[in-house]
Amino acid sequence: DVKVTQSSRYLVKRTGEKVFLECVQDMDHENMFWYRQDPGLGLRLIYFSYDVKMKEKGDIPEGYSVSREKKERFSLILESASTNQTSMYLCASSQLGLRGRNKNIQYFGAGTRLSVL
Amino acid sequence: GQQLNQSPQSMFIQEGEDVSMNCTSSSIFNTWLWYKQDPGEGPVLLIALYKAGELTSNGRLTAQFGITRKDSFLNISASIPSDVGIYFCAGQRIQGAQKLVFGQGTRLTINP
Repeated sequence: DVKVTQSSRYLVKRTGEKVFLECVQDMDHENMFWYRQDPGLGLRLIYFSYDVKMKEKGDIPEGYSVSREKKERFSLILESASTNQTSMYLCASSQLGLRGRNKNIQYFGAGTRLSVL
Repeated sequence: GQQLNQSPQSMFIQEGEDVSMNCTSSSIFNTWLWYKQDPGEGPVLLIALYKAGELTSNGRLTAQFGITRKDSFLNISASIPSDVGIYFCAGQRIQGAQKLVFGQGTRLTINP
């Protein structure tokens, strides 16, 4: 079974703090993703990485950065947390590939609920 | 960024009822996926569809890839309490793309 592990289920931070959200996957997947989930808005892509040290902006990258130094680990960084970044953050991974019935399937972690006060 | 139009946004049903939800887009999709998210957890894949017209079942769940490739639906028959959660559709819009586009979700609540 694919396992995507997010380091924290709940986090409470103060405005202006630097926040690190960590994600680790154990299936040697090339692709990793960070989403935020807000009621009524579904999942919105923040950043995407398709290889070590490679990253691509998603739909809402402002206020966030990412780091992928190892294949299995993808970190989301809030340089200076703000109250409008209070949300549920979901990490996902998928296999790079163009063929097969399992293509494009993303596997998700349990999520980190971040509150910025 | 583009999102899929998923409806309804929420459903309140009695246990034992059938459920139907759908996703539509103005663009063609090459892959449709349906996920379920239990309260406090991450989404889990239910069904994956790869061909126009494809109809796939997973227990009481049935999903179809629309013939026009611009829509998909998910049906749940004889709902039970553990069906409660948020259901998301997701699609791959461009062949070879690694990213998915997600619907806004359908929140299902079941009255016993």
